[in-house]
Amino acid sequence: GIQVEQSPPDLILQEGANSTLRCNFSDSVNNLQWFHQNPWGQLINLFYIPSGTKQNGRLSATTVATERYSLLYISSSQTTDSGVYFCAVVTEHGSGNTGKLIFGQGTTLQVKP
Amino acid sequence: EAGVAQSPRYKIIEKRQSVAFWCNPISGHATLYWYQQILGQGPKLLIQFQNNGVVDDSQLPKDRFSAERLKGVDSTLKIQPAKLEDSAVYLCASSLDRSGVGYEQYFGPGTRLTVT
Repeated sequence: GIQVEQSPPDLILQEGANSTLRCNFSDSVNNLQWFHQNPWGQLINLFYIPSGTKQNGRLSATTVATERYSLLYISSSQTTDSGVYFCAVVTEHGSGNTGKLIFGQGTTLQVKP
Repeated sequence: EAGVAQSPRYKIIEKRQSVAFWCNPISGHATLYWYQQILGQGPKLLIQFQNNGVVDDSQLPKDRFSAERLKGVDSTLKIQPAKLEDSAVYLCASSLDRSGVGYEQYFGPGTRLTVT
C-alpha cells in the first residue's frame, strides 16, 4: 500500500520563527489533507490540497503531485501552533481505494515563548 | 454548520468489559468513518460506511468490534470484550464522498478510551 512519510518527526521553535514541514508519499493520490491535532486530541482541518498552493493566514501549503510531496509552511509561529501536524492521503490506485485516509506518523511541533 | 459530534469524550473501563461510542456526522454527508489512533501514531481506519452500507471493514477486529449505521445517519461503534491494547482515541469522520475519489474529511473531537 501507499507509504506516507513526514519530516522532521520533532521540531522545537522559538516564537516568531518560521518552519517547513514535509510529507512524502509513494503513489498517486486523489486527496491530501493537512491536520493540526491539538493537545485535546481534536484533528483540525488545515488544508485540503491534492495539488497546487493554498494560503490561510500564517499557514500555507504546496503539493507537487507529480513529485509526490507536500509542504506545510508556518510563518511567525505562536505558542498556540504547538501540537502534532499530520499529513494524510487518499490513494488514487488499487482495489483498496475506498476513499480512506492514510496518515503519516506526524510532526510534533513545540513553540516556546 | 454543526461539525461531527461524538460521545462520550472520555471512558475508562476494565478489560473484558464492553463499551460503546456514538457519532453524528455532518448533515448530508454520505460517508462515515471510524478511525483508531493509538498514542504516538497516526489514525488508522477501522470501518467505513456509505449511507448505511459497509464499504471497508478490513481492519476491524470483528471478534470484538462491531459497528452499525442505522438509517444512514448516526453510527455506533462497540467493543466487547475490551482488551488493554484497545486503549486509544476513537475518531469519527464524515465526508460527501460517494465513490472513493477523496473528498475532504472532517473529524469529530474523538473519544479517549482507557482500558485498565
